[in-house]
Amino acid sequence: KAGVTQTPRYLIKTRGQQVTLSCSPISGHRSVSWYQQTPGQGLQFLFEYFSETQRNKGNFPGRFSGRQFSNSRSEMNVSTLELGDSALYLCASSGRTSGRTLNTGELFFGEGSRLTVL
Amino acid sequence: AQRVTQPEKLLSVFKGAPVELKCNYSYSGSPELFWYVQYSRQRLQLLLRHISRESIKGFTADLNKGETSFHLKKPFAQEEDSAMYYCALRGLNNNAGNMLTFGGGTRLMVKP
Repeated sequence: KAGVTQTPRYLIKTRGQQVTLSCSPISGHRSVSWYQQTPGQGLQFLFEYFSETQRNKGNFPGRFSGRQFSNSRSEMNVSTLELGDSALYLCASSGRTSGRTLNTGELFFGEGSRLTVL
Repeated sequence: AQRVTQPEKLLSVFKGAPVELKCNYSYSGSPELFWYVQYSRQRLQLLLRHISRESIKGFTADLNKGETSFHLKKPFAQEEDSAMYYCALRGLNNNAGNMLTFGGGTRLMVKP
């Protein structure tokens, strides 16, 4: 199986601009999660989408948004970029559900999109 | 609120020495604990999860609810174990989904 694919891998933006990052999950996986990784804050959960619905959201401002398409591909958008948004943005997909509870299994991570805000 | 703490940013040991990477958590409900690993130039990947109770690459981890810890252990470190290790927690409730709380990570260096 092809792994989780994230595009673009690297990008540079200036303050005030917006950015859209894309994630293609492993074929058959319906859950896509996004994480922000910075040297200071480490790995922080942004949000998760399952079957085109946002299932959970982390503690990030409304400038961070996302969506999921019917083919499970996901995008995240950051508007009005700030210097502090410079980070590695990781996408992860998961395919397991269990019974009534949307229990999940292993997360498969992409290589990330490294965003630099100048 | 849930929190995961890895007190050591860097752990350096010699090949063949025992390794213990510490992980402490705080969570009011029932947690599911994981160890994820990132080798050089590779993606973050799952190493093991407490529910599986298995040994992967010689590593084991036991969930100690009394001490709220999930330390990762290996009796004899190998050079190929050098990597970044992250402890992560997922709350076991109907809405947890894939919302993981990660610790800050510990870089393990195994010297020859």
